[in-house]
Amino acid sequence: DGGITQSPKYLFRKEGQNVTLSCEQNLNHDAMYWYRQDPGQGLRLIYYSQIVNDFQKGDIAEGYSVSREKKESFPLTVTSAQKNPTAFYLCASSAPRTGKQPQHFGDGTRLSIL
Amino acid sequence: AQSVTQPDIHITVSEGASLELRCNYSYGATPYLFWYVQSPGQGLQLLLKYFSGDTLVQGIKGFEAEFKRSQSSFNLRKPSVHWSDAAEYFCAVRARGSTLGRLYFGRGTQLTVWP
Repeated sequence: DGGITQSPKYLFRKEGQNVTLSCEQNLNHDAMYWYRQDPGQGLRLIYYSQIVNDFQKGDIAEGYSVSREKKESFPLTVTSAQKNPTAFYLCASSAPRTGKQPQHFGDGTRLSIL
Repeated sequence: AQSVTQPDIHITVSEGASLELRCNYSYGATPYLFWYVQSPGQGLQLLLKYFSGDTLVQGIKGFEAEFKRSQSSFNLRKPSVHWSDAAEYFCAVRARGSTLGRLYFGRGTQLTVWP
């Protein structure tokens, strides 16, 4: 079945360390998104990509970086510059830019600080 | 600027009771509207969506939502709640004709169901 796979499910980061969250989709979707979820704050957009080798900052991009070298993959790196990285991270994808296509979500990665 | 408001942070209902979750949006024009559900530790699952036409849309798991243009609302309803409906519910909007495809989410409503 097609879907979005996020790994790992749980991740721990030490101070000063960069960590990378994986997101892979086999839905043949062009667009991919990263969201951060904190309790009571809904989902906030970190980065999004409409096509390979192109991406845009969302509302809270500081301290994060992404790449989009393949259509299927959109990894997110949480850098040491992100001072409060503890959160639940969700990856999503959607079909070409018709606007009507809903976003499909992975099961998330929970990042915690050691 | 666009915004999505879910006025109720937490709602508690008894199993078998009816449910209505509120969603209001602020946009220049009627956007595309979505409701998602999230179980603990999981991703979001699409319940239903509205693009145009009939203002009452049916979704999965027995949910429906009604679009009211005059009130800029898209409230989610279910006639009889089951214990398995306990989850967090998110309303989301996307600008009609947007080429960027991004969604704007409300802050969510946590639903607790009493047996």
